[in-house]
Amino acid sequence: AQSVTQLGSHVSVSEGALVLLRCNYSSSVPPYLFWYVQYPNQGLQLLLKYTSAATLVKGINGFEAEFKKSETSFHLTKPSAHMSDAAEYFCAVSDRDNNDMRFGAGTRLTVKP
Amino acid sequence: ETGVTQTPRHLVMGMTNKKSLKCEQHLGHNAMYWYKQSAKKPLELMFVYNFKEQTENNSVPSRFSPECPNSSHLFLHLHTLQPEDSALYLCASSQDRLAGDHYNEQFFGPGTRLTVL
Repeated sequence: AQSVTQLGSHVSVSEGALVLLRCNYSSSVPPYLFWYVQYPNQGLQLLLKYTSAATLVKGINGFEAEFKKSETSFHLTKPSAHMSDAAEYFCAVSDRDNNDMRFGAGTRLTVKP
Repeated sequence: ETGVTQTPRHLVMGMTNKKSLKCEQHLGHNAMYWYKQSAKKPLELMFVYNFKEQTENNSVPSRFSPECPNSSHLFLHLHTLQPEDSALYLCASSQDRLAGDHYNEQFFGPGTRLTVL
């Protein structure tokens, strides 16, 4: 069965610093992979997705993620954190037969001034 | 209204009450989903409807009863809930459930925060 593991339930960075949120997946076949962001009192918003095109995926708000099959990873990065990036981030995986997604436990990003 | 809307946004109910959560999507999608988001637990898929037919029930207790009268509306009927059912309930929709060579992005509503006393 597919699953994702997010390393670190809490990440804190200073404004302007690099953001790195880690996600490793477990899947027997090449999956679809996603990063979602959730701001307080809101639903989930898709940041970016990997669907087997380019391995480096660019998303909204300056975020990007790289699919590394050898490491079974799909880490999310942003070169320079902004205060507005403070939110909860979820990595998710789905197979290619249906849209059913399995989510990680989430990583709460805090950005310090 | 645009996107996916959910009502009510907050709900407090006793264990003997019956209530319903409503989800409406204005995107012309054919698949709709209910998720449960509990504190410190991953988001859990509860039910999936595709073209008004239920295609997934993820071992959800019978005190949760979904209803999909048409492709735009999805309900979650609640009765005799337990305190551990307190959570954020999220609705999502996508073009359809099948992915194949392309992925159908799921669009989420803001959720209903449910508290069971």
